[in-house]
Amino acid sequence: AQTVTQSQPEMSVQEAETVTLSCTYDTSESNYYLFWYKQPPSRQMILVIRQEAYKQQNATENRFSVNFQKAAKSFSLKISDSQLGDTAMYFCAFPGLMNNNAGNMLTFGGGTRLMVKP
Amino acid sequence: ETGVTQSPTHLIKTRGQQVTLRCSSQSGHNTVSWYQQALGQGPQFIFQYYREEENGRGNFPPRFSGLQFPNYSSELNVNALELDDSALYLCASSLGSFFPDTEAFFGQGTRLTVV
Repeated sequence: AQTVTQSQPEMSVQEAETVTLSCTYDTSESNYYLFWYKQPPSRQMILVIRQEAYKQQNATENRFSVNFQKAAKSFSLKISDSQLGDTAMYFCAFPGLMNNNAGNMLTFGGGTRLMVKP
Repeated sequence: ETGVTQSPTHLIKTRGQQVTLRCSSQSGHNTVSWYQQALGQGPQFIFQYYREEENGRGNFPPRFSGLQFPNYSSELNVNALELDDSALYLCASSLGSFFPDTEAFFGQGTRLTVV
């Protein structure tokens, strides 16, 4: 079984500044992906960025980037030039195998509530 | 905005009652997963349906059951509702049950309140 831990329940950042959200995980799988999801007040989970574990290069999507440390099992999300629309819950998620190995399920961390202040 | 829609958006039920939640998958997606998100927590995996069969299950009791139809839409049924069942229920559709290299698309959820 896999576990995902987010140690920052709430964070705030000034508009245009940079913020980093932390995530640690544990798994026995050797080849896997990691995701960051955004959940705005509309409640719909939106995939922000994904990282493939076998790729050493950190993933980047516009203002969003990750710092993936495989040995430390750490996967942090950096948001640059924060915008008011970035205000949301952010979840780190691991798409691990189900117990029967018949497919994947997402294991989520507890989330970090990010507030971007004007 | 994804092509996954859930209904209803909000629902209030009484303890002991039964409830059915519905999910319409993204076009072409044959796999639906359901998650329960309690207030202030991350979603927890309930079960997954692949081509109309239950494909895997999380740590939820049998009173949580589901169906997937030939058009790949899905239902989540909960019997004998308990107060702790109050939560946001999310469905996610994907092309195939092994989805890390594609994307699972979420609906906007159904907020269930049990009183």
